[in-house]
Amino acid sequence: LAKTTQPISMDSYEGQEVNITCSHNNIATNDYITWYQQFPSQGPRFIIQGYKTKVTNEVASLFIPADRKSSTLSLPRVSLSDTAVYYCLAYNFNKFYFGSGTKLNVKP
Amino acid sequence: EAGVAQSPRYKIIEKRQSVAFWCNPISGHATLYWYQQILGQGPKLLIQFQNNGVVDDSQLPKDRFSAERLKGVDSTLKIQPAKLEDSAVYLCASSLVREGPNNEQFFGPGTRLTVL
Repeated sequence: LAKTTQPISMDSYEGQEVNITCSHNNIATNDYITWYQQFPSQGPRFIIQGYKTKVTNEVASLFIPADRKSSTLSLPRVSLSDTAVYYCLAYNFNKFYFGSGTKLNVKP
Repeated sequence: EAGVAQSPRYKIIEKRQSVAFWCNPISGHATLYWYQQILGQGPKLLIQFQNNGVVDDSQLPKDRFSAERLKGVDSTLKIQPAKLEDSAVYLCASSLVREGPNNEQFFGPGTRLTVL
């Protein structure tokens, strides 16, 4: 089981780029790094997934160094609506662990 | 495409009573997950089904919780008898595949359970 470590909370302002780093020291060879976003009173929502190097989609980028022991979720130009909890998971199909996530607070 | 459906959305019961939650996953999704999310914590996986078979129930309190996925489609999670500490949101999720990549989980809105 590859547990992950993230900051408990982060503050940002509208229009800024936000980078949330996740540590996963005991990641397995076939684990993928996956990020979810959760708003209050809703289920988590998939943001992005990657295995190595850089992955980009319409909402975020994911940077994974060669040793894969950490990863960074990058949210460009955040808005108030990006205020949410962000979870980092390292898993394939076996046991996985959401942890407590990072609570991002975007201020005007 | 319809999302994951769950019912009821809210439930209030007395301790020692029984309760059941229903989940209908996205059509064609073979993998179904039940999570418990206590306020302020991340979701905790209770059980994972692949079609109608259980692949992981290591964190399911089997003395009081049970789950089934007959016919490999919708699923029911039951608590009998409920305890105060079972108060939480119960989330159901489904994914097309179990193994990555592309094993994205789609979550339902959850059922908020309050045990008095």
